[in-house]
Formats: sequence, C-alpha cells, structure tokens
Amino acid sequence: DTAVSQTPKYLVTQMGNDKSIKCEQNLGHDTMYWYKQDSKKFLKIMFSYNNKELIINETVPNRFSPKSPDKAHLNLHINSLELGDSAVYFCASSQAGGWQGASYNSPLHFGNGTRLTVT
Amino acid sequence: AQSVTQLGSHVSVSEGALVLLRCNYSSSVPPYLFWYVQYPNQGLQLLLKYTSAATLVKGINGFEAEFKKSETSFHLTKPSAHMSDAAEYFCDVSDYGRGGYQKVTFGTGTKLQVIP
Repeated sequence: DTAVSQTPKYLVTQMGNDKSIKCEQNLGHDTMYWYKQDSKKFLKIMFSYNNKELIINETVPNRFSPKSPDKAHLNLHINSLELGDSAVYFCASSQAGGWQGASYNSPLHFGNGTRLTVT
Repeated sequence: AQSVTQLGSHVSVSEGALVLLRCNYSSSVPPYLFWYVQYPNQGLQLLLKYTSAATLVKGINGFEAEFKKSETSFHLTKPSAHMSDAAEYFCDVSDYGRGGYQKVTFGTGTKLQVIP
C-alpha cells in the first residue's frame, strides 16, 4: 500500500489554465505539507495543515489554494498558471502536532511528486 | 532561526570509496536532524534521524551520521559506495515553529555521483 499518494504524476498545461493536484495519506498522520522543488532541487515549503487547519503559509501567491477536506487529504489548486510554476510538487505527511502533540522528531513521508510543466 | 548548510552541491566518489556528505546546522535549541535520499523521479525517503539518544546514528543502506554539537555538524558517511547510492541527499533540521508546530528546514541538497 502506498503511504502517501498524489495524482497526477505528470501535468502538462498551458499558461492561464487552472489545475489541481490531489494527495492522500493512509498513515494516520495529523500533519500534511506541500513542497515545491525547482530545477535545482531546492525544496521550498508552501503549506502545512494540521488536522485540516492551515498552520503554515509561506509567502505563496494567492493563485495557490490548498484544501484539506479531512486530515488524510490535502489538495492543491492552482489558478491562472504561469511559466514559473513549472516544478515538481511534493505532498508529505508527518506525525507531528502542535504543543499538545508535539513530536519534532517525526520524519516526513513523501509522495512521489507531480511534475508540472506550464507551456 | 534555524538553518541548514550542505557543503558541496555535487560529490563524486569511485565505487567502493568512502562517501562523506557534509551538513552543518544552526538552531537556537537542541535540534532534531534528519538525512533523506531522493532517487530520480521519486520522493524523498528517510535515511536516518538524530533525536539525542545517541550521537552516532545508523540508517538504512549502510549509511550513518554523527552528531557533533561542538561543530554543529551532522555529516553523512558510508564506508564503501555502491552504484545504487547515486542520488540526491538532503539534510534537514526539525524545530518548533509558530504555534508550537513542527518546522522543518531542508538543506539545498547534495548530488552524489558514483563512478564505476
């Protein structure tokens, strides 16, 4: 069973379009993340949710809107796609929680990524 | 604020040679440190983690890392490189951020090339 799965694996689209990437984890984790990896392999945190609540929003354009219908799912919707959005997007999850459930030694479990190409 | 520095964006070693990938961190509190590996077209996988139980940490695939507080380092080593070790390696530090939630900061990655 795949622990963190995201779809689609590849996404090719034109500038100006709207697209979504879906992510699901079956690990029972409380926290989920979206990361962007550019062509130089730099990993940048975009969003983090804990139990459906947004806890990290790292200066990401408003065109990006995450949605967490339940703690096992975190989807990413992107409006008006731009050339600079081309990258690999990774979903991840961890056991970490807030002060009452703090476990900062929890590793992240990553999906296999969605390669977005905007033409 | 925490940060992670990985020295060397590319490292080349011969098959059978020692692998050494460097990671230095800065953190205002004792950190939790991790190494991840990313194979082509895949997500990151945990190699090993330091959680203060022991300074020498053993991970998967024969890798290990030593936490040295005096040097603020957490370098990754493997005695003998295999061709299958060719991948991108990321060091990261985990700390608490706003609201007490886990904050993860990744290094910029080191690409390991293994030469036959």
